[in-house]
Amino acid sequence: DAKTTQPTSMDCAEGRAANLPCNHSTISGNEYVYWYRQIHSQGPQYIIHGLKNNETNEMASLIITEDRKSSTLILPHATLRDTAVYYCIVSLWGNQGGKLIFGQGTELSVKP
Amino acid sequence: EPEVTQTPSHQVTQMGQEVILRCVPISNHLYFYWYRQILGQKVEFLVSFYNNEISEKSEIFDDQFSVERPDGSNFTLKIRSTKLEDSAMYFCASTKTGGNTEAFFGQGTRLTVV
Repeated sequence: DAKTTQPTSMDCAEGRAANLPCNHSTISGNEYVYWYRQIHSQGPQYIIHGLKNNETNEMASLIITEDRKSSTLILPHATLRDTAVYYCIVSLWGNQGGKLIFGQGTELSVKP
Repeated sequence: EPEVTQTPSHQVTQMGQEVILRCVPISNHLYFYWYRQILGQKVEFLVSFYNNEISEKSEIFDDQFSVERPDGSNFTLKIRSTKLEDSAMYFCASTKTGGNTEAFFGQGTRLTVV
């Protein structure tokens, strides 16, 4: 089973920041935190990942607490197209690849 | 932007028939994966493939399933004798490296077994 806990659903106003929380209290020292999203039934889309430092890319920011037991994905200016299911995944990949264990995710609705 | 391509987008097959789902991963990627998503359920890992062999497989990936990289560009998933419960979206993914990295997913093949 997935090793993360996320709220089932969240709403966000268009143009505002969307802050999606994730708890991963059993994360081990070398496991990464990944965020993916899935719009309708399309293929999952990578957003960002990190180990312990905060990360930012053109899509989002990832804030990981110092004890690494939780994290927050921030979409700085949500648009209607950001409406999707967001998955927080904890995983460790080796030299032969790895796997993503998806949970139920958070269904984010961005409203006008 | 490079993308993972899957064909067909939708396949309908009769129970007991063999199906082959096809994927063209991103050209310089070396690691390949199949996932599936039954309607209304979670995305589930099936198998990972590297260096022409299976790296890891889930309990779902039983003897009815096989994967192959028949040439330098295609990656296929074969289901030997389809069951009704194989009806799902099947997603192919690829990564450039084996370490902690971004996975690129295709848009999926919707398999309907009747």
